[in-house]
Amino acid sequence: GENVEQHPSTLSVQEGDSAVIKCTYSDSASNYFPWYKQELGKGPQLIIDIRSNVGEKKDQRIAVTLNKTAKHFSLHITETQPEDSAVYFCAASEGGSYIPTFGRGTSLIVHP
Amino acid sequence: EAGVTQFPSHSVIEKGQTVTLRCDPISGHDNLYWYRRVMGKEIKFLLHFVKESKQDESGMPNNRFLAERTGGTYSTLKVQPAELEDSGVYFCASSGGAGQPQHFGDGTRLSIL
Repeated sequence: GENVEQHPSTLSVQEGDSAVIKCTYSDSASNYFPWYKQELGKGPQLIIDIRSNVGEKKDQRIAVTLNKTAKHFSLHITETQPEDSAVYFCAASEGGSYIPTFGRGTSLIVHP
Repeated sequence: EAGVTQFPSHSVIEKGQTVTLRCDPISGHDNLYWYRRVMGKEIKFLLHFVKESKQDESGMPNNRFLAERTGGTYSTLKVQPAELEDSGVYFCASSGGAGQPQHFGDGTRLSIL
């Protein structure tokens, strides 16, 4: 089955800095890669996703890149703000089922 | 539009007891999913309903877990009897179609003493 590794487990940055979270996956059949943000006491919320026919996708301050050859994908957050503080999960799934396999999460702390 | 709603938000029970978690998906969403996150680990898939039918239950840990979705609306997940290793946060999600984004509820935090 699919295995997703996520790094780092904790990331501490100053407000205004950039943050990068990296994930690798094992199943070459995976072709859908969503990213979720989970705030304290809330459920995961989809913030951006990318499909295997695209190498990069951007939405305002967040961007995701995908390297299918190397089987890794990354989340980039620019100009971080305190409200970006949360746990971020990457996930990978095969298009037929769309059942995601999640990484272990990255706790992002943005210091004002 | 109301989001995915889960009840209760917290549950503390003793080992050997029974607990039932409930999930109300977004109205009109045929696809309903259950997940579990044990402290510090990844969110793991438990099962997937399409309407009232179990499409995939490959993630259910053992036969102490029973999920139902009678009528294809809300779903329940019963744990009987509960064991210590069942502690964690149980999430429910729903989507309008298999390829559409999943919307998560806020979860039920289950503690087994």
